[in-house]
Amino acid sequence: DARVTQTPRHKVTEMGQEVTMRCQPILGHNTVFWYRQTMMQGLELLAYFRNRAPLDDSGMPKDRFSAEMPDATLATLKIQPSEPRDSAVYFCASGLVSGQGYYEQYFGPGTRLTVT
Amino acid sequence: GQNIDQPTEMTATEGAIVQINCTYQTSGFNGLFWYQQHAGEAPTFLSYNVLDGLEEKGRFSSFLSRSKGYSYLLLKELQMKDSASYLCAVRDLNSGAGSYQLTFGKGTKLSVIP
Repeated sequence: DARVTQTPRHKVTEMGQEVTMRCQPILGHNTVFWYRQTMMQGLELLAYFRNRAPLDDSGMPKDRFSAEMPDATLATLKIQPSEPRDSAVYFCASGLVSGQGYYEQYFGPGTRLTVT
Repeated sequence: GQNIDQPTEMTATEGAIVQINCTYQTSGFNGLFWYQQHAGEAPTFLSYNVLDGLEEKGRFSSFLSRSKGYSYLLLKELQMKDSASYLCAVRDLNSGAGSYQLTFGKGTKLSVIP
């Protein structure tokens, strides 16, 4: 049963500290997304990769956030320095673009980040 | 950009039928998705509509009218386990390179009561 995995599942850190979240997409999927979910804003797209290339990170505060895909099995989202307003659940999702028209995203379990 | 609206909360009785509406505005519509999200869990895929009409999948059905920018998710024979948030998401040809990103509504929290 293939699934997206994320680590850590929970993270509590102090303001100013660096936070790194990791995602392993489903093997063979060629698109990866990072989302942030809060009660107020819902699910917001932060970054989007296709075939490991970053295609859209317009939703990400670039002064402190960075997203990379060092290889096809790992995507990372880094916050440096972290701030209390970054407290949220961060989801990674992956999908396969096959040229057949249909497309579905599969979500990981999320990383619940609390910045104090 | 897109504007996606859905009710914030709904309550329905076990065994009943409930309809969750979603309206959207988009410049290059290319599909509408419904996801279910239980509290503290990840969203999971429920349905996909790209053409007008009704798609049925067991107790769940989803309807789309592209001309009206409107979709609904219909849940029949409600069960307590259906208590969750239901997210409407739209795929837009003009949303970015490759157009495979989804824009999500804020979700409808459904509470099923005995």
